Amino acid sequence: LAKTTQPISMDSYEGQEVNITCSHNNIATNDYITWYQQFPSQGPRFIIQGYKTKVTNEVASLFIPADRKSSTLSLPRVSLSDTAVYYCLVGDKNTGRRALTFGSGTRLQVQP
Amino acid sequence: DTEVTQTPKHLVMGMTNKKSLKCEQHMGHRAMYWYKQKAKKPPELMFVYSYEKLSINESVPSRFSPECPNSSLLNLHLHALQPEDSALYLCASSRGLAGDLSYNEQFFGPGTRLTVL
Repeated sequence: LAKTTQPISMDSYEGQEVNITCSHNNIATNDYITWYQQFPSQGPRFIIQGYKTKVTNEVASLFIPADRKSSTLSLPRVSLSDTAVYYCLVGDKNTGRRALTFGSGTRLQVQP
Repeated sequence: DTEVTQTPKHLVMGMTNKKSLKCEQHMGHRAMYWYKQKAKKPPELMFVYSYEKLSINESVPSRFSPECPNSSLLNLHLHALQPEDSALYLCASSRGLAGDLSYNEQFFGPGTRLTVL
C-alpha cells in the first residue's frame, strides 16, 4: 500500500511560488497522484491530478519525476487566500481504493 | 449545480439520541462517500456507495448506519454515539467509479459539525 509523506507545515509570503513535495516511495505502476486543498471547517477541494511528467491547470502545476517516487505541487504567486492544508493522495487507477486515503497533509501559511 | 449540500451544519446530541445526517448532490455522480475528520487530522474514509449500493465499509462501528435512498441522496444514521465520535462529518461525490480516471475528483460538501455529549 503506497504511503505518502509530506512536510507538516510551510511558510511563505504573498507573491512567492510555493512548492510542496510529497514522497511516495512505494508507488505502484498503476498508481496516480492527486492533490486536494482544505480550508478550516470546509470540505477538501480537488486541485490537480497526474500520472507522470508535468500537469498544469489554472490553479497549479504538478511535477512528477521519471521514477515517480515523489511529486511536487507548485502554486505560483501565492496569496493570503492560499493559506490552507494541502493533501497528497496516491491511488490505484484500477481499484481506486487507495486514492481515498488522505495523508497527514501540509499546512501552508501565507504571510502578507 | 456543482454543489454537494449537507444538513444540518451543526448537530449536538446525547449518547442515547438517534439522529441523521443528510447529503445531497444533483451532478449525476455515481459514487458517494462519508468521511470523518477530527480536529487537525486528515479526513478518514467511512463508507462508499456506488450506484446506490454500499461498496466500501471501512470497519465502521454499527452505531453509524449509512443509507442511500436514491442516486442523489446519502444519509448517515447515528445511534448511541460516544463523545469520541464528535467530529466533522464530510460527504463527497464523484462522477467516476473505481477504475475510472475521474474517480479521484471528489466533490466535498461543507460538512456537519457533530458534538456528542
